[in-house]
Amino acid sequence: EDQVTQSPEALRLQEGESSSLNCSYTVSGLRGLFWYRQDPGKGPEFLFTLYSAGEEKEKERLKATLTKKESFLHITAPKPEDSATYLCAVRDNNDMRFGAGTRLTVKP
Amino acid sequence: NAGVTQTPKFRVLKTGQSMTLLCAQDMNHEYMYWYRQDPGMGLRLIHYSVGEGTTAKGEVPDGYNVSRLKKQNFLLGLESAAPSQTSVYFCASSSRDRGFYGYTFGSGTRLTVV
Repeated sequence: EDQVTQSPEALRLQEGESSSLNCSYTVSGLRGLFWYRQDPGKGPEFLFTLYSAGEEKEKERLKATLTKKESFLHITAPKPEDSATYLCAVRDNNDMRFGAGTRLTVKP
Repeated sequence: NAGVTQTPKFRVLKTGQSMTLLCAQDMNHEYMYWYRQDPGMGLRLIHYSVGEGTTAKGEVPDGYNVSRLKKQNFLLGLESAAPSQTSVYFCASSSRDRGFYGYTFGSGTRLTVV
């Protein structure tokens, strides 16, 4: 069965302390890996789509990378406003499957 | 830019009551989806639609029904609510390519069944 596992479940950083979030997946026929940001009480907001191993996407302090088995969301010099839950999702030929998310807290 | 609008935002139901959640999108998207989000679990697909007049079951369809009579609206119904249906419900939409640019989500409906 296709699975998407995100780690860690929660991450607390000091402002400026760079780190990475992990999304590992098992899926046959990957047709896209997606990263979303979700703020409390709101719906997920689309960030990136990655399609092939080696691909990278960047947006402000965020950079997403993809290998054949996992994706990383790198956060460089985070700010308190980066605090949110980050979700990844994997699409195969038929389904879009979401991970449980990593809850990121950035303290000033 | 309204995007995806869900109503209501909050609701408390008694066991056995029925209700309908409304989702409306103004982006002319073909695909629409209903998800539920529970603590510690990823978003799980309830039902989806690939176009006006069509619906299909997702991962967790039991206890729910849907209708898509108009392209811009997707309704989720609970015929006889159960405490296990306490959750946050999200509607999403995407263009014909089924999420190349990701899904656009609504802000959610928090449902409590007592």
